[in-house]
Amino acid sequence: DTAVSQTPKYLVTQMGNDKSIKCEQNLGHDTMYWYKQDSKKFLKIMFSYNNKELIINETVPNRFSPKSPDKAHLNLHINSLELGDSAVYFCASSPIAGEDTQYFGPGTRLTVL
Amino acid sequence: QQQVKQSPQSLIVQKGGISIINCAYENTAFDYFPWYQQFPGKGPALLIAIRPDVSEKKEGRFTISFNKSAKQFSLHIMDSQPGDSATYFCAARLTFGEGTQLTVNP
Repeated sequence: DTAVSQTPKYLVTQMGNDKSIKCEQNLGHDTMYWYKQDSKKFLKIMFSYNNKELIINETVPNRFSPKSPDKAHLNLHINSLELGDSAVYFCASSPIAGEDTQYFGPGTRLTVL
Repeated sequence: QQQVKQSPQSLIVQKGGISIINCAYENTAFDYFPWYQQFPGKGPALLIAIRPDVSEKKEGRFTISFNKSAKQFSLHIMDSQPGDSATYFCAARLTFGEGTQLTVNP
C-alpha cells in the first residue's frame, strides 16, 4: 500500500565511497523528484523526471546522477561521497510536473563519515 | 534564484490558540501554493493548497489566506492541538520555504 517507497532508510558510509538510493512509486504518476533536506530542515529540489526524461537539474555536483529506468522508479547514485552530502534525501512524485500535490517518500538519512 | 521566504522560523502556541505562518514569493508565474506538514522522521505530506484564483481556502481547522497583489500567503491553524506540533513548509510550485517549527503546548 506504500505510495512512495525508498530504500534504504538509513545509509552510513565512508568518504569517497559510491552509494545508491532507490525510489519507487505505485501511484501511476508521471513525474518524480529528488529533494535534499539539510540539517536545518531546508528542502531543496535536486532533480525531476517526467516519464523517464530529465526535466529539472538544479545546481547539483555531477557526482550525483539520477536514473529512471521507468516512470515508476527514480534512483539516485552518488559517487565519491563527501562529508557535506550528509542529509536526508526524499523522493517524491506528482501527477503533473510542478503543478500539483507532491507525494513524498519516508526519506533516506545519509551519513558520510 | 526563485525564493520563497517563510516566517517565523519557530512558533510556540498554547493549546486552543491560533498558529499563523507567513510566506512571500517572488515569481508571479507561480500558480500553485501548497503547505506541507512534516513530523520527525517522516516525509512532508500535503496539508492544504491554494491556486491564485481564490483568496482563501479552508479545510477544517486549517485556512490559507492568499494575497496575490502582495505576493504573500499564510497558513492559519485554528484551535491548535499538541498533535499539530510539526514542521510546516510553504511552497510555490517546487520551491520550498525554510520551514516553521510549530510547538503546541498542552
